[in-house]
Amino acid sequence: DGGITQSPKYLFRKEGQNVTLSCEQNLNHDAMYWYRQDPGQGLRLIYYSQIVNDFQKGDIAEGYSVSREKKESFPLTVTSAQKNPTAFYLCASSIETGQGWNQPQHFGDGTRLSIL
Amino acid sequence: AQSVTQPDIHITVSEGASLELRCNYSYGATPYLFWYVQSPGQGLQLLLKYFSGDTLVQGIKGFEAEFKRSQSSFNLRKPSVHWSDAAEYFCAVGDSNTGNQFYFGTGTSLTVIP
Repeated sequence: DGGITQSPKYLFRKEGQNVTLSCEQNLNHDAMYWYRQDPGQGLRLIYYSQIVNDFQKGDIAEGYSVSREKKESFPLTVTSAQKNPTAFYLCASSIETGQGWNQPQHFGDGTRLSIL
Repeated sequence: AQSVTQPDIHITVSEGASLELRCNYSYGATPYLFWYVQSPGQGLQLLLKYFSGDTLVQGIKGFEAEFKRSQSSFNLRKPSVHWSDAAEYFCAVGDSNTGNQFYFGTGTSLTVIP
């Protein structure tokens, strides 16, 4: 079955440490997205990428970095500069149909990051 | 700027009762609108979508939503709620001009009582 795989499901970070969250999709989707979810705040966009080797900052990119070297992969690194990284992180993807960007986003099952 | 408002943070309904979750959006052009559902610790599942045409759209699990341009609303409804519908519900508007960037509401948490 096609889908989006996020790993690990749970992740712990020590102070001053960078950690990388994995997101892989086999849907052949063009675009991929990273969101952060905090209680009562909905989903906030961190980064998104429409094509390989290109990505744009979302609303809360500070303290995060991404890469898009392959169409199916969009890893997110939470750097030590992100002072409040404890949250639920969701990866999503969508396809461009030739009629514009109007398709739903498909989501992975998320990674919960906590600080030790 | 695009935005989505879900006025109800939490709603409690009895099993078998009808449900309506409210969503208002702000968007300059014809919006692409979506409703998603999220169970605890899980990702988001698409319930339904509106792009154009018939303003009443049907989704999965017996849900429907009505697009009302004059009210900038896209409310989600279900005639008879089941205990398994308890979850968090998110409304979103898609911006086709920025690579399908989505703007999400803050969500409505639904509790179903027997």
